Amino acid sequence: QSALTQPASVSGSPGQSITISCTGTSSDVGGYKYVSWYQQHPGKAPKVMIYEVINRPSGVSNRFSGSKSGNTASLTISGLQTEDEADYYCSSYSGTSSLYVFGTGTTVTVL
Amino acid sequence: VQLVEFGGALVQPGRSLRLSCVVSGFPFNNYAMHWVRQAPGKGLEWVAGISWNSNTIKYADSVMGRLSISRDNAKRSLSLRMDSLKTDDTALYYCVKDGDVTGHFQFMDVWGKGTTVTVSS
Repeated sequence: QSALTQPASVSGSPGQSITISCTGTSSDVGGYKYVSWYQQHPGKAPKVMIYEVINRPSGVSNRFSGSKSGNTASLTISGLQTEDEADYYCSSYSGTSSLYVFGTGTTVTVL
Repeated sequence: VQLVEFGGALVQPGRSLRLSCVVSGFPFNNYAMHWVRQAPGKGLEWVAGISWNSNTIKYADSVMGRLSISRDNAKRSLSLRMDSLKTDDTALYYCVKDGDVTGHFQFMDVWGKGTTVTVSS
């Protein structure tokens, strides 16, 4: 099971919006609604930011939003803040022998 | 909600190790659980998942046949038995609670801080 494809890095200035893409196949991203996004600060455990493509857990800022089109899911961060600097990973339920697959990860830098 | 992993160690290739995770703050027997690992400086890799009643168990292809996930609902604990360890198994291993209230698989919700496994001669 290959990892989902994400850009290695994305950057933006404070207040701007950025979008991170996550490309898979019809056997994972394109085939299921179980796409989620995780934020990981250095030395910390990941934290779920979006689940089931578009849903935000309680306590997560509404500056974070998710979407999906075909085999590609996206995470948009609006009103970028310095605290948003972190690594971001997408994940999808998979119809293959491995239940879940993660993305390659994207480092977000706030300029 | 709290998940605390332990059991990580430095072990030689080919040897075995058992990781454990003790949880609190939520009805453990209602939720599926996962192990996810992260090699040093690398991304996340889902390793194994177990449904609330242990009826459904899944593994990543990379660990199939060598790692075994289990749970004890009475003790509120999750385990990962690791056999025939390889240097590629070196990673921080996270215990993770699923977010599906029906006890099956949906997404990785709450994460522990992890326990480190180093496989080296």
